[in-house]
Amino acid sequence: DTGVSQDPRHKITKRGQNVTFRCDPISEHNRLYWYRQTLGQGPEFLTYFQNEAQLEKSRLLSDRFSAERPKGSFSTLEIQRTEQGDSAMYLCASSSPGQGYNEQFFGPGTRLTVL
Amino acid sequence: AQTVTQSQPEMSVQEAETVTLSCTYDTSESDYYLFWYKQPPSRQMILVIRQEAYKQQNATENRFSVNFQKAAKSFSLKISDSQLGDAAMYFCAYRSAGGNEKLTFGTGTRLTIIP
Repeated sequence: DTGVSQDPRHKITKRGQNVTFRCDPISEHNRLYWYRQTLGQGPEFLTYFQNEAQLEKSRLLSDRFSAERPKGSFSTLEIQRTEQGDSAMYLCASSSPGQGYNEQFFGPGTRLTVL
Repeated sequence: AQTVTQSQPEMSVQEAETVTLSCTYDTSESDYYLFWYKQPPSRQMILVIRQEAYKQQNATENRFSVNFQKAAKSFSLKISDSQLGDAAMYFCAYRSAGGNEKLTFGTGTRLTIIP
């Protein structure tokens, strides 16, 4: 098991462009989470899935943000019409029913820079 | 809403010495989980230690231990025999036990180990 992976690791885009990030959770982890981390801050929750169902969304997830997990495995996070304020590290995590979902395993993150 | 406060943006400790990182939180819930996560430079976040609120006994993991004071809503991390590899950002996090799956993080403490 190679852990949670995220792609790309870095993304530079121009304001107004759309970007999509991918997260592959640890196999057999049925819960998947997205967080956003800005410089000097702790991660902030965006959304989470159990299998393919999106069960909770933060108010931080504006209409320009959409997340999917179509087959209950990998997930994508899309940001439309990017703004400079979207520049951040986007973290993905996964967890399993073992130990009551009490440990979230994090990926390395995708660092987004919006010019 | 729950909040987590880490009042020490930076800490330093001599190698082999002991250091304590502070965390306080605010909640009206009686059952919850508390975590310390470590984020090394340019590397992914990993779980250091976990505490269930219903357990009076403080959690311990090798050189890492916590001082959990439920009434005071305090959750400090003690690192004994500090090693160079302990240098990282440390985040305190809270999770409700009542089905809300998100982690709420503090702003972090940057720990430097002095050789």
